[in-house]
Order: sequence, then structure tokens, then C-alpha cells
Amino acid sequence: AQKITQTQPGMFVQEKEAVTLDCTYDTSDQSYGLFWYKQPSSGEMIFLIYQGSYDEQNATEGRYSLNFQKARKSANLVISASQLGDSAMYFCAIQGADKLIFGTGTRLQVFP
Amino acid sequence: EAGVAQSPRYKIIEKRQSVAFWCNPISGHATLYWYQQILGQGPKLLIQFQNNGVVDDSQLPKDRFSAERLKGVDSTLKIQPAKLEDSAVYLCASSLDRWGGKETQYFGPGTRLLVL
Repeated sequence: AQKITQTQPGMFVQEKEAVTLDCTYDTSDQSYGLFWYKQPSSGEMIFLIYQGSYDEQNATEGRYSLNFQKARKSANLVISASQLGDSAMYFCAIQGADKLIFGTGTRLQVFP
Repeated sequence: EAGVAQSPRYKIIEKRQSVAFWCNPISGHATLYWYQQILGQGPKLLIQFQNNGVVDDSQLPKDRFSAERLKGVDSTLKIQPAKLEDSAVYLCASSLDRWGGKETQYFGPGTRLLVL
């Protein structure tokens, strides 16, 4: 069985600052993938970044980076230089041999 | 490249009525998924298709929910009869294929269902 835990129900950050969204996971699979999705108020889930369990380097995609600490089973998302358009729900998810499992999400609000 | 298309975007029905949702995945994507997202929660997989065959429907309430993917492209999810607790956003996603632990899924805009 797999599980994702996101302990921050809400986060506030000022525009242009960096913010870290926490994600811890539990899995018995040796090979798995970790994903972050953004869900604006419009409802669509937007894929942001992926990290494979065997990847040695932390994934980066533009302003998004994933702080992957395998021994701690954490996969935190770092957003640099926050923008007002980053305000949304953010979901961490894990997929091993089975289905994609999502956490409960973190609501990020960026203020001017 | 066009994304995942879903319709309708919103639907309001009364309990015990039936409703159907439609999804058109990204062109060439073999795998299609239907998720249910209840307010305040992450999406939960209802059913997964590989081409036109069902891979996983273990969390689909089969007494009232049904889904099909004819010809391995479009898919329809139906609820009959609807209950109050079916009020949720229904998300469709697709992926190119699946190998190892990596399977990036791309989501549509979702259908917001309200059952009164």
C-alpha cells in the first residue's frame, strides 16, 4: 500500500519569495515515481514535476524543484520567485506498481 | 497538441437521476483514467483503461457506476442512480503508456457534479 501525507493545509507567501511545500510518503515498492500537480480554482490538474525513485539528481522544471530525500521518504516541492498566478492547490502523488495515490493537498496563497 | 477534453463542465441533477460524462484523451494516449475528487480531498481513481480494456476498477461502485471506452479512444462514465454523496469533481486523465514507476498523467478540466 502507498500513502502520501501533506501536513500543511495552507501556506502564505509573498510575491517573489520562495516557498516549500512538504510531502512525505510511504511505500513498499522499490521502484516508484513522485509527482506534483497544481490545481487552480478552475479545477484542472496541471502536471508540474516528476522524480523517479532511482534518480540521483533532484528534479527541476523552471521555477519548480523537488527536494528528494529518499531515506526520509520526503519529496518537498520548492517554488522559487513566487508569482500571484501560483495561488492554487498543490497535490503530491506517488505511483509504484499500482495506481497513482494523491495526498490531501496544500492551498498556497501568494500575496503582493 | 490538444489536451484532455471533458464535457459537460458542470451538471446539477436530483438524487436517483442518471448522468453521463464524456472524455476525449490526448491523441495517441493508450491509457485513460477516471477520478473522483470530493471537496477537500485529492483525486481517487475510479477506473483505468488500457486501450479499450479495463486494467483497474477496484474502487468503482459497480452497483451504480459504469464506464466504457469504445474503440480505445473516447470514454463515458455513467452514474445511475445518483446519490447525494456522488457530488464531486470527476476528472479524466490520460497517459502515453506505462513502464516501471513512471507514468505522467495529463488531466482534463473536470466535470463538477452537484446532486440535490
